[in-house]
Amino acid sequence: GAGVSQSPRYKVAKRGQDVALRCDPISGHVSLFWYQQALGQGPEFLTYFQNEAQLDKSGLPSDRFFAERPEGSVSTLKIQRTQQEDSAVYLCASSLVAGMENEKLFFGSGTQLSVL
Amino acid sequence: DQQVKQNSPSLSVQEGRISILNCDYTNSMFDYFLWYKKYPAEGPTFLISISSIKDKNEDGRFTVFLNKSAKHLSLHIVPSQPGDSAVYFCAFSGNTPLVFGKGTRLSVIA
Repeated sequence: GAGVSQSPRYKVAKRGQDVALRCDPISGHVSLFWYQQALGQGPEFLTYFQNEAQLDKSGLPSDRFFAERPEGSVSTLKIQRTQQEDSAVYLCASSLVAGMENEKLFFGSGTQLSVL
Repeated sequence: DQQVKQNSPSLSVQEGRISILNCDYTNSMFDYFLWYKKYPAEGPTFLISISSIKDKNEDGRFTVFLNKSAKHLSLHIVPSQPGDSAVYFCAFSGNTPLVFGKGTRLSVIA
């Protein structure tokens, strides 16, 4: 497709369960970002990849959160031992331009995670 | 600390009138200022931006104003249309990934 694709669209997890969220960026886009959007809040930065290199993971809330982009295209955000406070929409964004100070990002529709 | 404040969670405007959305920021290092628009069940989409060297940027019905001394950013939509009904996020960049406000839900009433 032409846009950023995220799957699954919705995920319900029991507390303590591990989850994996997938992002397919726009083909050829160098930069990939993950953001977390809690209810009633704006998106908050989690981590940034330039190609396959994870250059910034300062926004990951705990060591239960792990992201990878092994071949510089598809990325997976993994959350281990999910907690209720992890419930949020997880947004992936990509950009043709390299660099964290990226202005024009293309966002996917997000994965809505609900932890019960 | 909250670097970005969008103090109005919602705004209702009559079709054809002007919509004015506002953001305040505290970080002087921000040098690029943007607005994103979000429809339900979709990701945010880029709308308009302005660099720190300008005070106004216009694109059709949308105009962004930057007041650096007041650390204030605003978006004007005129005339407002029902299709403009969405959540609008201001976003800021400056040696960091984009920092977003909490959003303002705009409802344009026909």
